[in-house]
Amino acid sequence: AQSVTQLGSHVSVSEGALVLLRCNYSSSVPPYLFWYVQYPNQGLQLLLKYTSAATLVKGINGFEAEFKKSETSFHLTKPSAHMSDAAEYFCAVSVMNSGYSTLTFGKGTMLLVSP
Amino acid sequence: KAGVTQTPRYLIKTRGQQVTLSCSPISGHRSVSWYQQTPGQGLQFLFEYFSETQRNKGNFPGRFSGRQFSNSRSEMNVSTLELGDSALYLCASSLGEFNSPLHFGNGTRLTVT
Repeated sequence: AQSVTQLGSHVSVSEGALVLLRCNYSSSVPPYLFWYVQYPNQGLQLLLKYTSAATLVKGINGFEAEFKKSETSFHLTKPSAHMSDAAEYFCAVSVMNSGYSTLTFGKGTMLLVSP
Repeated sequence: KAGVTQTPRYLIKTRGQQVTLSCSPISGHRSVSWYQQTPGQGLQFLFEYFSETQRNKGNFPGRFSGRQFSNSRSEMNVSTLELGDSALYLCASSLGEFNSPLHFGNGTRLTVT
């Protein structure tokens, strides 16, 4: 079964530091992968998605993710953290179910940004 | 374009009662999915509706049901509420095509006492 694992339930960085949020997937077929962000008291917002067109995917707010098949990873990065990046981040994989695709989410990683 | 709208934002119910949550998708989106979010279990898929038909279902008891109307608006119903049903219920709409991204509403926070 296809699934994703997010390493680290909490990640703390200083403002201006590199952000690295880890996601590993398990899939027997080429996966479709997504990163979403959730701000307090809000729903999830799509950051970026991987659909096999390019291994390096650029998203909104300066985030990007690199698909590495050899490592079964799809880590999310941002060169310089901003206070407004503090939120919970979810990695997700598209799973076929009854002939249609649904999203299965990781447990989430809370990003804390200190001044 | 208006986003996904969920009503109400907050609900407090008593054990044994039933509740109905509403979701209006983005205009033109024919697929509506529902997720339950809790601190312990994370985001869990409940079901998906496309053109008024349930197309996919997660692993939840029959107390959780839903429906979709001809204008793509969807409702979710939970009967005989239990304390464990306290959660944030998120609705997401999409075009319904293979791997279309989901667009989420802000959720309904349900508290069961």
